[in-house]
Amino acid sequence: DQQVKQNSPSLSVQEGRISILNCDYTNSMFDYFLWYKKYPAEGPTFLISISSIKDKNEDGRFTVFLNKSAKHLSLHIVPSQPGDSAVYFCAASARGGTSYGKLTFGQGTILTVHP
Amino acid sequence: NAGVTQTPKFQVLKTGQSMTLQCAQDMNHEYMSWYRQDPGMGLRLIHYSVGAGITDQGEVPNGYNVSRSTTEDFPLRLLSAAPSQTSVYFCASRFDTLMNTEAFFGQGTRLTVV
Repeated sequence: DQQVKQNSPSLSVQEGRISILNCDYTNSMFDYFLWYKKYPAEGPTFLISISSIKDKNEDGRFTVFLNKSAKHLSLHIVPSQPGDSAVYFCAASARGGTSYGKLTFGQGTILTVHP
Repeated sequence: NAGVTQTPKFQVLKTGQSMTLQCAQDMNHEYMSWYRQDPGMGLRLIHYSVGAGITDQGEVPNGYNVSRSTTEDFPLRLLSAAPSQTSVYFCASRFDTLMNTEAFFGQGTRLTVV
């Protein structure tokens, strides 16, 4: 049972344009959502997060949007840069229920930004 | 501040061998966990711990043991390695589970079982 899904295995974008990465979840107990970035041969690094009490959170070029009714979140990168090329993982956490404290990850999306 | 440190970075095992993957964090985090990353599967939780002396199973615990005798260390033991355990393993720590905070990851251990 995949509780967090990233349905696009890969995304290719031109430098300077917007990158939009999508994530869907099924567990209504999730109340905190995170995006991680991973370069080859490195561990995932935290990028941005959003609490379920908000619908948007911005940090520089990165914005995360949360649509609770659709159980959907997205990460927008504007403008995209070649250094953004990496694997992006969506993750979710809950403070209650059987998912308590655990981070559940999606499958990841490979973003390639072309110069 | 080293963060989360994993050793070794690479390891090749023969089927049936045992080994321990080491993980240490210096951030005084209560919550630690082990994930494996396989192509197309994302990061899957193996075992986790909410504090010293407390461990529990994650999504894919079979073939692995953990213990948490100190806040800093959370080793992962492979009892009898199998080719299906060929993967990249990541250890992570998080401040606690009552507050929503991010997890910090180690650099990973790439394990090949032949």
